[in-house]
Amino acid sequence: NAGVTQTPKFQVLKTGQSMTLQCAQDMNHNSMYWYRQDPGMGLRLIYYSASEGTTDKGEVPNGYNVSRLNKREFSLRLESAAPSQTSVYFCASSEFSGLGTDTQYFGPGTRLTVL
Amino acid sequence: AQSVTQLDSHVSVSEGTPVLLRCNYSSSYSPSLFWYVQHPNKGLQLLLKYTSAATLVKGINGFEAEFKKSETSFHLTKPSAHMSDAAEYFCVVTFYNQGGKLIFGQGTELSVKP
Repeated sequence: NAGVTQTPKFQVLKTGQSMTLQCAQDMNHNSMYWYRQDPGMGLRLIYYSASEGTTDKGEVPNGYNVSRLNKREFSLRLESAAPSQTSVYFCASSEFSGLGTDTQYFGPGTRLTVL
Repeated sequence: AQSVTQLDSHVSVSEGTPVLLRCNYSSSYSPSLFWYVQHPNKGLQLLLKYTSAATLVKGINGFEAEFKKSETSFHLTKPSAHMSDAAEYFCVVTFYNQGGKLIFGQGTELSVKP
């Protein structure tokens, strides 16, 4: 099992450009998440998908959109990148039992720089 | 409001000495608590989790944590640090009514000196 995979690993964009970050999991998990990590701030939730066909905003959704393509794949799109979106982006997945006890499994991250 | 606070942004220990990373949470609900570790340029890996069973939780690589409801704490300990323990550690909390959403602490960077 590959677990959670993310592409690309690194990306440099110019302000105003768009791009999509891809995430896939092979653990048959119901829930998937996108986080960003900035120095000294831990991880903050951007969007999540509790189950296939649903998506919801997290703590910092502005400037992002998501698509839950199928049960395996969850993509994050930046329509018009801004320097404030320079960050490391992590995708995660979990079974989602509804009990709040699920372990989330994280991908290796995408380092994005917006110039 | 629900939150989690890691009391130290950086901890430095010598190899072979004990490790203590402190975490407090704030909530009126019963929490599930996790510790994750992140090695440089890597993703996050689960060390251990508390889910209302035993209050002393054992995790991987010799780490353990004790849930103390009266102190709203979930401190992470290890009796003897190893060089490979150098990493960033995150205390994380979630609640049954949060749809699986995690709340992360700010992180504690652990340095281990030879």
